[in-house]
Amino acid sequence: KNQVEQSPQSLIILEGKNCTLQCNYTVSPFSNLRWYKQDTGRGPVSLTIMTFSENTKSNGRYTATLDADTKQSSLHITASQLSDSASYICVVRPDRGSTLGRLYFGRGTQLTVWP
Amino acid sequence: EAGVVQSPRYKIIEKKQPVAFWCNPISGHNTLYWYRQNLGQGPELLIRYENEEAVDDSQLPKDRFSAERLKGVDSTLKIQPAELGDSAVYLCASSSSTGGLRDIQYFGAGTRLSVL
Repeated sequence: KNQVEQSPQSLIILEGKNCTLQCNYTVSPFSNLRWYKQDTGRGPVSLTIMTFSENTKSNGRYTATLDADTKQSSLHITASQLSDSASYICVVRPDRGSTLGRLYFGRGTQLTVWP
Repeated sequence: EAGVVQSPRYKIIEKKQPVAFWCNPISGHNTLYWYRQNLGQGPELLIRYENEEAVDDSQLPKDRFSAERLKGVDSTLKIQPAELGDSAVYLCASSSSTGGLRDIQYFGAGTRLSVL
């Protein structure tokens, strides 16, 4: 069964600190993995997208890693800011097949940054 | 350039009433998605359009939900009759097929539906 699991479910950190969010998936065959940021009351916004050949990808203070062998990904946020408070959703796209390229979404990690 | 536009932003209705949501995708995007997102959950695909054709509607509850995308641009999602369990945020997204499997979906702000 194709699934995407994220941990922790929620996280509180102080402004300026770093944090790492985890994503494990069982989606197969694998095409690519995305991280989205969803602010409260808004739609998700893409942060990074990685294929199996890409181990690391950065977008400003956000760095995503991918281990396609263990089917794990992480999103590292450096020097957190208050505006980083949001839900971070891991999304996996399978290769074309019976799923018609449907995206599989995790439940998200709710990050709160305190001043 | 405007992003994906959805309306209304909020809707409160009584159960058994009909409700409709509207979505205007990014200009030139031929793929359009409707998702439902419950509190604390990730989005769940309801239907995906490639131009005017619904290519993936296997998760759309067809007994009460319907959708259309006339002329391959704007789309409407309808629920009739609404049930208490339909309370959720309904997200519309669009993407360009030129990106293939790496295409990025752009989401609208969503419509928050409350069924009383």
